[in-house]
Amino acid sequence: DIQMTQSPSSLSASVRDRVTITCQASQDISNYLNWYQQKPGKAPKLLIYDASNLETGVPSRFSGSGSGTDFTFTISSLQPEDIATYYCQQYDNLPLTFGQGTRLEIK
Amino acid sequence: QVQLQESGPGLVKPSQTLSLTCTVSGGSISSGGYYWSWIRQHPGKGLEWIGYIYYSGSTSYNPSLKSRVTISVDTSKNQFSLKLSSVTAADTAVYYCARARLVGATNAGEFDYWGQGTLVTVSS
Repeated sequence: DIQMTQSPSSLSASVRDRVTITCQASQDISNYLNWYQQKPGKAPKLLIYDASNLETGVPSRFSGSGSGTDFTFTISSLQPEDIATYYCQQYDNLPLTFGQGTRLEIK
Repeated sequence: QVQLQESGPGLVKPSQTLSLTCTVSGGSISSGGYYWSWIRQHPGKGLEWIGYIYYSGSTSYNPSLKSRVTISVDTSKNQFSLKLSSVTAADTAVYYCARARLVGATNAGEFDYWGQGTLVTVSS
């Protein structure tokens, strides 16, 4: 199985801060990497697909980059509604696997 | 707008079979181009892919659950289903159904639509 390791596991930031989360794959996954946002009690929501493509309707303050084994997810200006847990997910190989999640809190 | 809705018992006894159905509206499973998936989340934990099915009936399962999982599709009802046998307390989780885009000839890409999730508790 491809292991996906997110860093940090939790993060506290202020409104309007720039926030960065990293995701490292245990092997080369090209750009087969997606990012999701999950708010408490809700299903995950797709934000970024193919490492850097913004899903339709998602605010442009969210972005993703990377390829191979190292990926980055960025919120350019943190908003109160961005409080959630964020997950990366690879689809290069089965089984499809997710990172352990990064919990984002407001400072 | 595609919508997915899980349904099934919220309580299952140990050693029995967990059965859930996902009803899809706003789009036809038979139209192709997507894998129809089950994903679970243990309380307070991360996400675990269980498996998926194509409208043709072709399936792929997570090896960690493969011996106990069956996913089936009923295109006439626009539904797909999950059966997980011999459940234990470790199978207590929120179960989500989701749609994944078909990438290339056989790969599944991003999960773009999700059901709201249903909590299944395994307890006597």
